[in-house]
Amino acid sequence: GAVVSQHPSWVICKSGTSVKIECRSLDFQATTMFWYRQFPKQSLMLMATSNEGSKATYEQGVEKDKFLINHASLTLSTLTVTSAHPEDSSFYICSARPLTGEAQPQHFGDGTRLSIL
Amino acid sequence: GQNIDQPTEMTATEGAIVQINCTYQTSGFNGLFWYQQHAGEAPTFLSYNVLDGLEEKGRFSSFLSRSKGYSYLLLKELQMKDSASYLCAVRDSNYQLIWGAGTKLIIKP
Repeated sequence: GAVVSQHPSWVICKSGTSVKIECRSLDFQATTMFWYRQFPKQSLMLMATSNEGSKATYEQGVEKDKFLINHASLTLSTLTVTSAHPEDSSFYICSARPLTGEAQPQHFGDGTRLSIL
Repeated sequence: GQNIDQPTEMTATEGAIVQINCTYQTSGFNGLFWYQQHAGEAPTFLSYNVLDGLEEKGRFSSFLSRSKGYSYLLLKELQMKDSASYLCAVRDSNYQLIWGAGTKLIIKP
């Protein structure tokens, strides 16, 4: 089945640090990847849609200069949280949709738990 | 606006059957998805409906009525490991996924 690998699983760092999260589709190609954030006991919130070879589309209220997205290949997208602060602590999850057919579901990575001290 | 409604929480007994409903109002429709999410984990794909009717996959079935903007996820022979949140999501005319807030299912022995 379609596998999405997300790395790292856990990050604990000091305030002001920039953190990079990688999302890879291991056995399929994805022109589109999605980045979500989920606070405890809340629903998934789409942050941005990452398109291979072009600029990401950010949801309203998401700062594109703070959450830098790069989708350099059909199997890799990265999210960099720049100058992270405690309020950025959350569960970040990526997903990817296979290239072949819009009927395909999104497959999720295991998520990255980010804790900013 | 676009809206997905599903109950916040449901409780059921081990071995029983439970039905989780989802109603939606979206700009266009290109399929409805159900995902399972255990606490602290990422969602996993359960089912996909794009045509009216019932899709069965083992203990899980999903039903869709496009004219009513309605779907349900049916879980049979409930097991303790089925305790999780179940997310309903609809793909709109722009192929964007619109997510429901999820239904937390609690299974009691």
